[in-house]
Amino acid sequence: KQEVTQIPAALSVPEGENLVLNCSFTDSAIYNLQWFRQDPGKGLTSLLLIQSSQREQTSGRLNASLDKSSGRSTLYIAASQPGDSATYLCAVGSSNTGKLIFGQGTTLQVKP
Amino acid sequence: SQTIHQWPATLVQPVGSPLSLECTVEGTSNPNLYWYRQAAGRGLQLLFYSVGIGQISSEVPQNLSASRPQDRQFILSSKKLLLSDSGFYLCAWSVRRVASGEQYFGPGTRLTVT
Repeated sequence: KQEVTQIPAALSVPEGENLVLNCSFTDSAIYNLQWFRQDPGKGLTSLLLIQSSQREQTSGRLNASLDKSSGRSTLYIAASQPGDSATYLCAVGSSNTGKLIFGQGTTLQVKP
Repeated sequence: SQTIHQWPATLVQPVGSPLSLECTVEGTSNPNLYWYRQAAGRGLQLLFYSVGIGQISSEVPQNLSASRPQDRQFILSSKKLLLSDSGFYLCAWSVRRVASGEQYFGPGTRLTVT
């Protein structure tokens, strides 16, 4: 059974700092891995999708990497801003139906 | 462009009452559709998914049910709500038959069972 873990559960950093969020999964037989952002009381916004054959994806200040053999993914946020404050969720696609298994999320606070 | 709608946005219901949450997708055809629940302290949990009209798969035993009466409509129902049904319900879609496709989420419905 696939399990997804995100560490740390919460993170507080000063504005401008570069930071890394971690995601680990127990079964390396995945189809893809997706990073989401969730603002309080809102739905999920997709940030980056990494296919199982890819090593990384980049979008603006965000870079996500995938290492299937070690069961790990990282989300790198460069030059953090207060507007980046949110909960970041990692989700693994583990079947051909597209079902996602989510981690518990990392709540990020960027202080001005 | 594709959009996904959910309603109602918030709902307060007494224990034992029925439930109907609706999700519709615009701008695409034959999507895979998903219902997730986000309960306090428990993370996001997949409840149901559908790969076509009338095709529903349940992931978690519960007193909820799902139906897909039209290609782009997904409904979550219950005959009698429990306190434990409280949570944030999210609908999502992805391109059909693309296992590695990106999943897109709706704005969610906040359900409080009293």
